Amino acid sequence: GQQVMQIPQYQHVQEGEDFTTYCNSSTTLSNIQWYKQRPGGHPVFLIQLVKSGEVKKQKRLTFQFGEAKKNSSLHITATQTTDVGTYFCAGRASGGSYIPTFGRGTSLIVHP
Amino acid sequence: DGGITQSPKYLFRKEGQNVTLSCEQNLNHDAMYWYRQDPGQGLRLIYYSQIVNDFQKGDIAEGYSVSREKKESFPLTVTSAQKNPTAFYLCASSKAGDYKQPQHFGDGTRLSIL
Repeated sequence: GQQVMQIPQYQHVQEGEDFTTYCNSSTTLSNIQWYKQRPGGHPVFLIQLVKSGEVKKQKRLTFQFGEAKKNSSLHITATQTTDVGTYFCAGRASGGSYIPTFGRGTSLIVHP
Repeated sequence: DGGITQSPKYLFRKEGQNVTLSCEQNLNHDAMYWYRQDPGQGLRLIYYSQIVNDFQKGDIAEGYSVSREKKESFPLTVTSAQKNPTAFYLCASSKAGDYKQPQHFGDGTRLSIL
């Protein structure tokens, strides 16, 4: 079945440093979604990428979808303590079920 | 405000006991899901339902059961057959029939063994 690998599992940064998490799928994706889960909270939808090579920005967050639609990344510039949480990617296989497969998530820890 | 309500927030189960987690949504979504979250494991799909009176097993359905008698409600029962039920359980919903629809999550239920 479809697998979505996400790395790294944990990332410690000093406040102000950049952060990147990567998501790789074993199959071509129709779309990929990113979610953020704050400690003790629930996942909240951030953004969706659909087109090959698509890049979207939300303030300090930059999301990319690979040309082959099998990988994606989330980059945060100049991290802040409010960025702390676990970031999940979720991808749907092309021609497959509409149910997304979630990556294991990357937990971001920001040290002030 | 529309949203998803999960209850209770914390739940304790005794050995051999079945417990039911509640999930109610007023978003008028057709699709609903149950996920289990363990540290470092991400979100694993237990069951999902696309329409009333129909549901499908996810990746880790053993030891769990669900019902979908109403569009708004999708309760999850953790049966005594589930030997390791301690986890964080998340209910989600989305519009059905469109793969682009994001999932909306409830606040979750933390289940522990007494």
